[in-house]
Amino acid sequence: AQSVTQPDIHITVSEGASLELRCNYSYGATPYLFWYVQSPGQGLQLLLKYFSGDTLVQGIKGFEAEFKRSQSSFNLRKPSVHWSDAAEYFCAVSNFGNEKLTFGTGTRLTIIP
Amino acid sequence: DGGITQSPKYLFRKEGQNVTLSCEQNLNHDAMYWYRQDPGQGLRLIYYSQIVNDFQKGDIAEGYSVSREKKESFPLTVTSAQKNPTAFYLCASRDRDRDDGYTFGSGTRLTVV
Repeated sequence: AQSVTQPDIHITVSEGASLELRCNYSYGATPYLFWYVQSPGQGLQLLLKYFSGDTLVQGIKGFEAEFKRSQSSFNLRKPSVHWSDAAEYFCAVSNFGNEKLTFGTGTRLTIIP
Repeated sequence: DGGITQSPKYLFRKEGQNVTLSCEQNLNHDAMYWYRQDPGQGLRLIYYSQIVNDFQKGDIAEGYSVSREKKESFPLTVTSAQKNPTAFYLCASRDRDRDDGYTFGSGTRLTVV
């Protein structure tokens, strides 16, 4: 069965500093990978996705993620965070055909001035 | 604008009562999903439907029921058999012909007292 691990429950970063959120997945075949962001009490917004091709994918709001098959990872990065990036971030993996989406437990990001 | 509407945003019910959460989409998506979100547990799949009049159990279907009589609508009923129904419920949809990821509603917070 597919699974996703986000090892960091909570991360605090200074505004303007760089950010990396970790995500490891378990899936037998080539996965479909996603990063979503959620503001408190709201739904999820898609930041970026990887299906195939270039392993470095660009998303919205200045985020990027790199797929590393050898490490079963899909880490999210941003070179300089803004206070508005404070939210919860979810990594997710989908099976072939993208029929079902399995989420990690999320990483809550706090931004300090 | 197209999107997913979940209503109501907040819902309170007494223990032992069934309650139905609404999810409507005007995106013309074939597939629809219900997720439950609890702190520290990420999102867990309750039920999903790929086409009208057909649906499948997800990972935590016990105590829940759904119907899919129309393409636009996928209501979720939380029955009295659900042991711990208080949670944040998210509905999502997906275009099966495109790799655009899942679109989420803004959620319903259900509190059972």
